[in-house]
Amino acid sequence: EAGVTQFPSHSVIEKGQTVTLRCDPISGHDNLYWYRRVMGKEIKFLLHFVKESKQDESGMPNNRFLAERTGGTYSTLKVQPAELEDSGVYFCASSQVVGTGELFFGEGSRLTVL
Amino acid sequence: SQQGEEDPQALSIQEGENATMNCSYKTSINNLQWYRQNSGRGLVHLILIRSNEREKHSGRLRVTLDTSKKSSSLLITASRAADTASYFCATTNQGGKLIFGQGTELSVKP
Repeated sequence: EAGVTQFPSHSVIEKGQTVTLRCDPISGHDNLYWYRRVMGKEIKFLLHFVKESKQDESGMPNNRFLAERTGGTYSTLKVQPAELEDSGVYFCASSQVVGTGELFFGEGSRLTVL
Repeated sequence: SQQGEEDPQALSIQEGENATMNCSYKTSINNLQWYRQNSGRGLVHLILIRSNEREKHSGRLRVTLDTSKKSSSLLITASRAADTASYFCATTNQGGKLIFGQGTELSVKP
């Protein structure tokens, strides 16, 4: 069974440009989460999808970040326009059941904004 | 921090030594997990301990959980250079959201 896959693995862009990160969860997992770790700091929650609906987007830093999960399958996280402080690693995770804590993480997408 | 404190923030040891990292959390939990982030990228799940468990082992890893003190520890025995990474504890809230600690940067010198 394929795990959670994320693309791209590394993206280098200039300040003001747009980047779209993609996450393909494990097939059948209704729950999809985005996290990020910025500049060696803690890993912070961004948002949680249940199927195509945003269950919790309390961690989204500002309106430059847009997450979608059309059709309830893969998800995209777009940063527009990117700022220097957006550099970090963006993790996606999925789970079948909420509350057990068993999230399956992807390898992460490293974003570098110059 | 979204969750609590981990200590130490950084730990440097020699290969073969044991490494102990501690984690405290703020709310009641269903379980607590430890993760490792390698080379600034992949997040690897190490071990999960449920709130009704006190100790768990997996290979060279030993995790303890003290719910009365809201704390956990991760012990890595006979460390190797390949254990160099960032280690995080994480708890699950009722909404299923994983909340991570600040992390401990472990450096194992050959």
